[in-house]
Order: sequence, then structure tokens, then C-alpha cells
Amino acid sequence: GAVVSQHPSWVICKSGTSVKIECRSLDFQATTMFWYRQFPKQSLMLMATSNEGSKATYEQGVEKDKFLINHASLTLSTLTVTSAHPEDSSFYICSAREGRGAVPDTQYFGPGTRLTVL
Amino acid sequence: DQQVKQNSPSLSVQEGRISILNCDYTNSMFDYFLWYKKYPAEGPTFLISISSIKDKNEDGRFTVFLNKSAKHLSLHIVPSQPGDSAVYFCAASSSGNTGKLIFGQGTTLQVKP
Repeated sequence: GAVVSQHPSWVICKSGTSVKIECRSLDFQATTMFWYRQFPKQSLMLMATSNEGSKATYEQGVEKDKFLINHASLTLSTLTVTSAHPEDSSFYICSAREGRGAVPDTQYFGPGTRLTVL
Repeated sequence: DQQVKQNSPSLSVQEGRISILNCDYTNSMFDYFLWYKKYPAEGPTFLISISSIKDKNEDGRFTVFLNKSAKHLSLHIVPSQPGDSAVYFCAASSSGNTGKLIFGQGTTLQVKP
């Protein structure tokens, strides 16, 4: 089946630093990638949708200048948390969508990245 | 505004019995629904889905039922197995929305041997 990887799987950083998280589709081309955030015991909240070669579309309440998304190729999207603060500590999950069909079954999730900001 | 709700945070069933996980939604534009299974520190894995033109979809031990008038769907797992223990999320999507998924809060299922 389709595989999506994320790197790193976990990261600890000091407050004020920036952290980059990579999301790769390993065996398919992802026309669209999604970034989610999950706080403990809560739902996955969609942060943004990114299409290769175009600007990301951010959900309401998500600061685009703080969460920079770059979808440079059909297999790679990156999320950079700029000037991270303790409240940004969360589990970040990406998903990659194969094709442009209306059926969202072809959305495959990465294993997630645990970010802890001290 | 929680458009997709899973009101039961946890469910415990005996091995071999049926597990029923419920999900309600408020947005009538949703026309596709999915169930995902998730283990801690991992991404969700797709289980089963249903289009709004159907009221039932079955795949092995998993069956999803959709009641559009009640804006309610449920996932039935029968027979339940200890390996089914995980967090289950329902998600909803509307066509033409680039596949954007709205997730419920999740239900933790524990299947006891």
C-alpha cells in the first residue's frame, strides 16, 4: 500500500527556535498534502492544505506566518514551526492524497511528529 | 463548532462480542464518511468508508451504517478481537472540497480477552 513518512518522528526544542517537519510520499505522487495537529485526547485538527507548486490554504485560526508550508514537489511537503513556543507542543500529522478524485479514501497518513517545546 | 462528534470517549467490550461506535454530524453538506483506526504516536489508518448515497457498507468484520435523516453513522465490529483495541475516529468530507477531512474526537475501544 501507499506509504507516507514523516521526519523527524519526535523533536524537542527550546522556545524561540524554528522546527522543520518533512512529509514524504514514498511510492506515489501526492497532488495534495494536508497537515493536522492533535492535542492529547483530542481530535485531529486540519491546519492547512497544500498543493504542489502553489500556496497552502490555511484553516481559520491557523497563523500562516507561524506555520510555514512548502510543497516543493509531488512527493515532499514541509511544515516549519517558526519561533516555537510551549503552546505549539503537539503531535503533527501529515497526509498525502493520491490523484484528484472526489473520493477521499486515497488519503494516506504519516506516522506523525511529536513536537515538544521547552 | 464541532461538526463531527463522537460522544463516547471510550468503549469496552468482551472479545467475540459486537463493538458499536457512534458518530454524529451537523453539516448537511457532508457526503462521504470514513472511519480510521489509530494507535498512540502513529498516524490514522483507513478502515472503511461510506458514501451518502448508501446506508450500509460492509468489509469483513467491519460494517458502517449511515442514517442521513438523523445525521448519524455507526461502525460495527463483529466479532471484536483484542487487536481491535485502539482509538477510532470518524471523519467526514464534502465533494469538491479537495478531500479535506473533518474528524470527530475519537473513541477509545478496549476489547478484553
